[in-house]
Amino acid sequence: TQLLEQSPQFLSIQEGENLTVYCNSSSVFSSLQWYRQEPGEGPVLLVTVVTGGEVKKLKRLTFQFGDARKDSSLHITAAQPGDTGLYLCAGGEYGNKLVFGAGTILRVKS
Amino acid sequence: DAGVTQSPTHLIKTRGQQVTLRCSPISGHKSVSWYQQVLGQGPQFIFQYYEKEERGRGNFPDRFSARQFPNYSSELNVNALLLGDSALYLCASSLAGGDTWELFFGEGSRLTVL
Repeated sequence: TQLLEQSPQFLSIQEGENLTVYCNSSSVFSSLQWYRQEPGEGPVLLVTVVTGGEVKKLKRLTFQFGDARKDSSLHITAAQPGDTGLYLCAGGEYGNKLVFGAGTILRVKS
Repeated sequence: DAGVTQSPTHLIKTRGQQVTLRCSPISGHKSVSWYQQVLGQGPQFIFQYYEKEERGRGNFPDRFSARQFPNYSSELNVNALLLGDSALYLCASSLAGGDTWELFFGEGSRLTVL
């Protein structure tokens, strides 16, 4: 079974600061996704990256897939309280089977 | 359009009991997947169904079973509940059962086993 490790596990920052969340694996994934989950809700897909070295931007969020397709990062610029939540990375294995990391809890204080 | 709906949203059971969780996918979606999310961890894959057939199974004991109905809704059954089965059970739907990665998750069913 492939594993994904996320770091840090918890991040508490002030509004306006920048942050980066990392997702690492020893295995190659055909694709990697980032989700955001709020308390009492299911995960919501933010982005899918499929090509090694790919960079995608979603407003203040920048996602990068490592060249070897084993790691990914999520960078948030000028974080806002609305960014608070659990950020999950997930690697695609086959069909609809995703392998999730344990997540990074982000708290942005105003 | 309605998203993925799950029921019940919360339930409490005792050890040894059985539970059935239900999921209605987004209209037009033919694939349903089930995930278990224990507090403090990411979701873990349990099952995938596509066109009423099991397409994938995760590393869960035989106490866990599921099925998909002709209208593409799905049920997850767990027998002989253990304390460790306490978790948020998430259902996700997608258009197809192959390598399509766009999963839409419901809000989950929070199961507490006492």
